[in-house]
Amino acid sequence: GAVVSQHPSRVICKSGTSVKIECRSLDFQATTMFWYRQFPKQSLMLMATSNEGSKATYEQGVEKDKFLINHASLTLSTLTVTSAHPEDSSFYICSAVTSGTGPNREQFFGPGTRLTVL
Amino acid sequence: DAKTTQPPSMDCAEGRAANLPCNHSTISGNEYVYWYRQIHSQGPQYIIHGLKNNETNEMASLIITEDRKSSTLILPHATLRDTAVYYCIVRRGGTSYGKLTFGQGTILTVHP
Repeated sequence: GAVVSQHPSRVICKSGTSVKIECRSLDFQATTMFWYRQFPKQSLMLMATSNEGSKATYEQGVEKDKFLINHASLTLSTLTVTSAHPEDSSFYICSAVTSGTGPNREQFFGPGTRLTVL
Repeated sequence: DAKTTQPPSMDCAEGRAANLPCNHSTISGNEYVYWYRQIHSQGPQYIIHGLKNNETNEMASLIITEDRKSSTLILPHATLRDTAVYYCIVRRGGTSYGKLTFGQGTILTVHP
């Protein structure tokens, strides 16, 4: 299957700082990428849908000013957690959807980024 | 998208077939059944998907009932590396890409 990478894989930061997470589709173009968050022993929760060249669409309850998403190219989306606090500590996972139309488009997930805010 | 119901956990002996059930009784005609799995501390991995016909690939088989209200994912010869959380997801088809909504999934434990 296609490969999606995330960087960094793990980050520890102090409370109040901002953290940027990159999501790249390595061998395909993705007009749509998704960002998820997963707390321990819980399922993945969709945070936002990132569309190349347009503003992201956020799920209910997700603060768009705190979780800044930029999808500047067909292979890169970034999530910036601004003024991070300990409650933002989580496993952040991105996914990328192959381009085209129809039901055979596939969604591939990155390996995740473990954020720990002290 | 239709909601799915899965058992919270299942066990399977190594080398045997693992059959993971999923109920999606409110599925509509243009919704697909997708299966993903997540090994601890990794991103989800796509396994298989189908609309109404049974599907098979190198990883697994997907059996969808005729009324499409339930399905079964079959791992024909489970290995210890198949221990993971398995998610059954129903997603709207069509030209636009519908988002995936993850439930709690089934924790499959393969034991020696």
